[in-house]
Amino acid sequence: SAVISQKPSRDICQRGTSLTIQCQVDSQVTMMFWYRQQPGQSLTLIATANQGSEATYESGFVIDKFPISRPNLTFSTLTVSNMSPEDSSIYLCSVESQGVTDTQYFGPGTRLTVL
Amino acid sequence: AQSVAQPEDQVNVAEGNPLTVKCTYSVSGNPYLFWYVQYPNRGLQFLLKYITGDNLVKGSYGFEAEFNKSQTSFHLKKPSALVSDSALYFCAVKLTGGGNKLTFGTGTQLKVEL
Repeated sequence: SAVISQKPSRDICQRGTSLTIQCQVDSQVTMMFWYRQQPGQSLTLIATANQGSEATYESGFVIDKFPISRPNLTFSTLTVSNMSPEDSSIYLCSVESQGVTDTQYFGPGTRLTVL
Repeated sequence: AQSVAQPEDQVNVAEGNPLTVKCTYSVSGNPYLFWYVQYPNRGLQFLLKYITGDNLVKGSYGFEAEFNKSQTSFHLKKPSALVSDSALYFCAVKLTGGGNKLTFGTGTQLKVEL
C-alpha cells in the first residue's frame, strides 16, 4: 500500500485563523479524500480531491470553509478557514492507489485544536 | 443511501479468548465491506475487506470477518485476543458501482485484559 504522510501532525490555533494541512503520497494515486473525525466520533467524508479540477464536496461541507487543492497525483492540501472551536477534530487524508482501486488507505491524521 | 451500524460502543474480552466485534450494514445494492483499526493518536489502518467470493475473509494480525448477506452483517473475529489488539475498530461500507464514498460506523472500542 501507499505510504501517506500529513503535515502538521497536530496544531493549536486561534479562533478566526486558517490552517492548511498537507497530504503527501509516495506514489501516484487515482483518488484522494479528506475526512474529519470529531472528538469521540466516527469519520465523515469532507470531499474528494480531484486532480486538475475542483474538489467534490459532501453535503454540509463547502468550498469557502474547506478549500482543497490537488496540483498533482501525489499531493493535496486541505485548508480549514476562519476556524472556530467546533472545527477541533482530527483531519485525515486517504487515497485509493492505481493498483488497488477498491481500498482506501489513510494517513496518520492531523489533530487540530481551536481555542 | 448506505449506512453501517456497530451496536456495541465497547467490547471487553480476556486475553486468549475469542473476540467478536459486530457490524451490520444497509445498502441498496452489492456492498464492499471493510474493517479498519485505529490505535491511540494514530490514523486508520486497513485490516481486511470483502469484495466478492468466499464469505470468510482473512486479514492482518490474525483477524477475519464473515460476510452474511441474509443478515446483512460483517462481524470481525479473532480466535485468540491479545492485549495489543486493544484499539478502536471501524466497520465501513462502499456501494459497488456507486463511486468511492466510504461510509463508516460509529466505532467499537475493544479492550483486551490480562
